Amino acid sequence: DIQMTQSPSSLSASVGDSVTITCRASQTVTTYLNWYQQKPGQAPKLLIYAASTLQSGVPSRFTASESGTEFTLTITSLQPEDFATYYCQQSSSSPLTFGGGTKLEIK
Amino acid sequence: QVLLVESGGGVVQPGKSLTLSCGASGFAFSNYALHWVRQAPGKGLEWVTGISYDGTKKEYIDSVNGRFTISRDDSKSTLFLEMKNLRVEDTAVYYCARDDGAALVATALEYWGQGTLVTVSS
Repeated sequence: DIQMTQSPSSLSASVGDSVTITCRASQTVTTYLNWYQQKPGQAPKLLIYAASTLQSGVPSRFTASESGTEFTLTITSLQPEDFATYYCQQSSSSPLTFGGGTKLEIK
Repeated sequence: QVLLVESGGGVVQPGKSLTLSCGASGFAFSNYALHWVRQAPGKGLEWVTGISYDGTKKEYIDSVNGRFTISRDDSKSTLFLEMKNLRVEDTAVYYCARDDGAALVATALEYWGQGTLVTVSS
């Protein structure tokens, strides 16, 4: 199984800040890497697919990139609604696997 | 719009069975792969199983293989998860999710239901 390691596991930031979350795959997943946002009591929401493509309706302050087996999600100019938990997920091979999550909290 | 509604969750004793359903609307059900993803209380997301658009391919995580069965009824636009020999560690919110494609890999989980809670406890 492909292991997905996310860091940090938690992060504190202020409205207007920029933050970066990293996800590392234990083996190549090419660009089959997705990012999800989950708010308390809600289902996850797809933010970015194929490593760097923004899902329709997602604000452009969310960007993502990849370099080999390392993937990053960057949120610029944080808004109050961005404070949530973020997960990466590989779909290169079965079983699909998620990172452990990064909880983004307001400082 | 795409809508996925799970049902069938509840409290069940260890060793017992439960079947979850996920009713879908707003899209051509038979064209898409579908998945079940679970989340134990206070924990992260765990993909459990998926079924291809035509039902010919099914994948499971090791911990449920042989105990859980995923199936679909395209005539009713409904996804099922039959769970047998339930364990305490199966306690979680179970989400159904629609793939953005027909296969089980090289895709993304584009739409999610709100989830149904399964509690396995004596």
